[in-house]
Amino acid sequence: DGGITQSPKYLFRKEGQNVTLSCEQNLNHDAMYWYRQDPGQGLRLIYYSQIVNDFQKGDIAEGYSVSREKKESFPLTVTSAQKNPTAFYLCASSIEATAYEQYFGPGTRLTVT
Amino acid sequence: GQSLEQPSEVTAVEGAIVQINCTYQTSGFYGLSWYQQHDGGAPTFLSYNALDGLEETGRFSSFLSRSDSYGYLLLQELQMKDSASYFCAVRDQGSARQLTFGSGTQLTVLP
Repeated sequence: DGGITQSPKYLFRKEGQNVTLSCEQNLNHDAMYWYRQDPGQGLRLIYYSQIVNDFQKGDIAEGYSVSREKKESFPLTVTSAQKNPTAFYLCASSIEATAYEQYFGPGTRLTVT
Repeated sequence: GQSLEQPSEVTAVEGAIVQINCTYQTSGFYGLSWYQQHDGGAPTFLSYNALDGLEETGRFSSFLSRSDSYGYLLLQELQMKDSASYFCAVRDQGSARQLTFGSGTQLTVLP
């Protein structure tokens, strides 16, 4: 089955540690996205990638970094510089960057204490 | 910048019809999307409107009026499984044509 996988589902880290969230898709989509969701709020765009080896900052990129070395993979690193990293992180993909339908992974819930 | 407004909560009974409104302010509007998200789950795409009018997909319909910067999602024959959060999202020139999401409307369907 084609889809997007994110791992792990739950992640716990101590403050001051960097952590990398995994996102893999086998839909052959060019574009991939990372969103952050806080309780009772909508999705905010962290980074997006329109094509391999290219990515752009979204609305809340500070304290995060990404790479896109392979079409299938778009890992997100939450660095110690992110002031409030505890959140639900969602990865998505679409056929191309301006496609109106995005496909989402199951998410990773990160807790930093 | 972009801003979207939608009600935070809506409650309805099984079998009823409910309308979730969304108003937006954007620069260079391209389209309005709707997504459904069950608690703790992944958002799933429901519909997209780029032009004025009504788009129907089964029990769900979505409407857009670009002159009023307004759209709505209409859910008919409500079922318990429709209890979820519903997000409107706009694509506009101001955000490099990326999606900007509203804060979501929590729909509760009562038996």
